[in-house]
Amino acid sequence: GQQLNQSPQSMFIQEGEDVSMNCTSSSIFNTWLWYKQDPGEGPVLLIALYKAGELTSNGRLTAQFGITRKDSFLNISASIPSDVGIYFCAGQGIGNEKLTFGTGTRL
Amino acid sequence: DGGITQSPKYLFRKEGQNVTLSCEQNLNHDAMYWYRQDPGQGLRLIYYSQIVNDFQKGDIAEGYSVSREKKESFPLTVTSAQKNPTAFYLCASSQGGGFEQYFGPGTRLTVT
Repeated sequence: GQQLNQSPQSMFIQEGEDVSMNCTSSSIFNTWLWYKQDPGEGPVLLIALYKAGELTSNGRLTAQFGITRKDSFLNISASIPSDVGIYFCAGQGIGNEKLTFGTGTRL
Repeated sequence: DGGITQSPKYLFRKEGQNVTLSCEQNLNHDAMYWYRQDPGQGLRLIYYSQIVNDFQKGDIAEGYSVSREKKESFPLTVTSAQKNPTAFYLCASSQGGGFEQYFGPGTRLTVT
């Protein structure tokens, strides 16, 4: 099946720092989604991207749909304690009604 | 408030027993999904349903069964055939394939 590589696997940062993480796919995706999961809870949708090159912001979060359609990036600016959690990327391939999830970045 | 509910939050069962996890949504979404999450892992798709009375196997359907008799409900049964059932189970829904999926709060199942 489709594979999503998400990096870094984990990161430790100081409050106020900016954070960057990314996902790469072995195949082209039509949709990229970014989720945040707190311990013991379900993932919460942060940003949805539908078009190559698209750059979308949600408060301090900014995500981009890579031009090659095989990658996506999430940036968090001026991090605060409540940003701690696990961030998952998810993508949907052409003609595929299912999502493929990355393994997560633990912040 | 619209959303997805899963119950119970924690569930304990003895090995060899079947158990059914509940998932209800009032978002009027057509599609519903069940995922399994193991510690430190991503989400793996068990079953999904795009329409009432129809569902498809996901990547790890063995040992699980589902039904979709109503649009708002998609219960998951973990059968005794599932070799390693202890996990965190997440239900999600979307308007249809290709749309954003929204998740419930999850059910943590422990089988001893």
